[in-house]
Amino acid sequence: GESVGLHLPTLSVQEGDNSIINCAYSNSASDYFIWYKQESGKGPQFIIDIRSNMDKRQGQRVTVLLNKTVKHLSLQIAATQPGDSAVYFCAETFTGYSTLTFGKGTMLLVSP
Amino acid sequence: GAGVSQSPSNKVTEKGKDVELRCDPISGHTALYWYRQSLGQGLEFLIYFQGNSAPDKSGLPSDRFSAERTGGSVSTLTIQRTQQEDSAVYLCASSLAGGTGNSYTFGSGTRLTVV
Repeated sequence: GESVGLHLPTLSVQEGDNSIINCAYSNSASDYFIWYKQESGKGPQFIIDIRSNMDKRQGQRVTVLLNKTVKHLSLQIAATQPGDSAVYFCAETFTGYSTLTFGKGTMLLVSP
Repeated sequence: GAGVSQSPSNKVTEKGKDVELRCDPISGHTALYWYRQSLGQGLEFLIYFQGNSAPDKSGLPSDRFSAERTGGSVSTLTIQRTQQEDSAVYLCASSLAGGTGNSYTFGSGTRLTVV
């Protein structure tokens, strides 16, 4: 079936850099997307979400961009900190469907 | 409660044994989900409960897997005759309601190891 995928399995950055994590989705019917952060030994934690009627949404130090034309989603983290080191998952769903479909995740490693 | 609680946090079992994993969702959350996360993989949907509706069992990998939710609150995931390929982290999540637009709150998971 259709699923969400990620381009980079591991991303290594220096503290203070901006990080960009990418996600490609294949279900054109998807209209709601979420980014989760998972630290070691913990469950995924909600970061930010975006609906398909938006191209961009900003939170604290994070921005999600949605390009529906190419079915691409990205998470931008500004001034990356060591505490941002984790696995990041994108997830998708669509109106009328009750469950989220998750990608495989990208590990972000932040060096001091 | 303040968050989604799962127990046990770790479980080691012998191949062929049955195991039960428990999930206490956030109070008032009507939707409850079970996912499985294998090493280095994404989250695989298993089952979804919404209120008193019949659960969506479409993600259960075999008939050895079953789940129930009593009183619209606590849920138990049961794996019978465990196999080594069942080793994974089993994550439970809850949300205010099912359907688009509701993000999940996850528990910390149960790490199951079948030896």
